[in-house]
Formats: sequence, structure tokens, C-alpha cells
Amino acid sequence: ILNVEQSPQSLHVQEGDSTNFTCSFPSSNFYALHWYRWETAKSPEALFVMTLNGDEKKKGRISATLNTKEGYSYLYIKGSQPEDSATYLCARGGGADGLTFGKGTHLIIQP
Amino acid sequence: DAGVIQSPRHEVTEMGQEVTLRCKPISGHDYLFWYRQTMMRGLELLIYFNNNVPIDDSGMPEDRFSAKMPNASFSTLKIQPSEPRDSAVYFCASNRQFQETQYFGPGTRLLVL
Repeated sequence: ILNVEQSPQSLHVQEGDSTNFTCSFPSSNFYALHWYRWETAKSPEALFVMTLNGDEKKKGRISATLNTKEGYSYLYIKGSQPEDSATYLCARGGGADGLTFGKGTHLIIQP
Repeated sequence: DAGVIQSPRHEVTEMGQEVTLRCKPISGHDYLFWYRQTMMRGLELLIYFNNNVPIDDSGMPEDRFSAKMPNASFSTLKIQPSEPRDSAVYFCASNRQFQETQYFGPGTRLLVL
């Protein structure tokens, strides 16, 4: 994997259901994996930064895991609420370019 | 802290005109990044500065784009002449250390007619 890739591109989830999506990234020269939450007409806001293989972070109903050896991270949302609707960006830190962003997963929670 | 400040928030201009976007990073942040966001390419890094010095401008699309950081609290991104394909949202972000969380400004929505 040469770039940061996120899947799926978009996701519709029923309110109350749990969901997850994936960020895949080059595992060489890895420094950190960032997750951002980006609401429409606003700027991206940081959710998590993870650096170690096996890291797990949690903030309320949202959690993330990291596998640096195989180059992926999962973001989980438990019991989705309408306010969770946003685009979730992951970014890989490593090398000389700072953060390399994926194109995001656009999440829509349907009441 | 007020966060990263960008101005203007919206800009509509005609093709061929000069456009200047402005950014004030968070005080104490040594790194400043300019990004462009489009539907097709997502969030692209254009250029970043460390202690006011441009480090990597390989993401700047053409010579029509230029960026400066005359002091630690101010940066500009200039497009001259502007073209319709430059229409996008331009974000500025800053952080204390290179690989740490970046804090984004509200963005400037540019429309070139």
C-alpha cells in the first residue's frame, strides 16, 4: 500500500446500530496514526493519535485500534447517534511529509 | 487560545484575479501547513513551514501558487492569476511538533468564476 486508503467511502447506518470502518496505510517508516472527525462546513478535529502496535484508544462511544505490522486501523462507533454523522479522516505520520491523509469515510446516521 | 484563524472564510473572484488567503497559527506552534481540499483529491498538502521557513513546497500545484510566512503569527497563500480549477476549500493547520496532531483552521472556500 503506497497511500492511505479508507473504506468504505460512505456508510449509512441506522441510529442505535454500531459500525466500524478501516484505514490502511504503508507500514514502513511509520510514526503515528491519527483519526479526525470532520463535520460539514467545519474544520477537522482530532479524535485520536496512536503510535504503538496494538494501541487502543477510546472516547465515549468511539474507539480505535492500531496494527502497525500489517498497516491498518479500525474506528468503531457503538450505538450510533445522529450527531455522529460526519466524515472520519485518518492520517499517517511518517517520513518527511508530515501527515498523509486518506479521503475519509462519510458516515450518515439515519434516525 | 483562539485556535487557528483563517481569512477570508469565503472568497468569490473572477478568473485571472489575484487571491490572497491568510492564516494565523496557534501561538507557540512551530509548524504551519497549507492544505487544499477537493472532492476528487481529498485533502492535499500544499506546503509547510517550520519556524517561518518553507520546508517542503512540492505539493504546490503550479508557479501561480506562492506562500510566505513573514513571522511566527502570520502566513499567506497567494494565487496569481487564479483559474476556475483552483476552486476548493483551503485549510491552514499548525502544531508544535512535526508528527503530532494538527489543529485546523475553519478554511477558506474559494470560488473562481
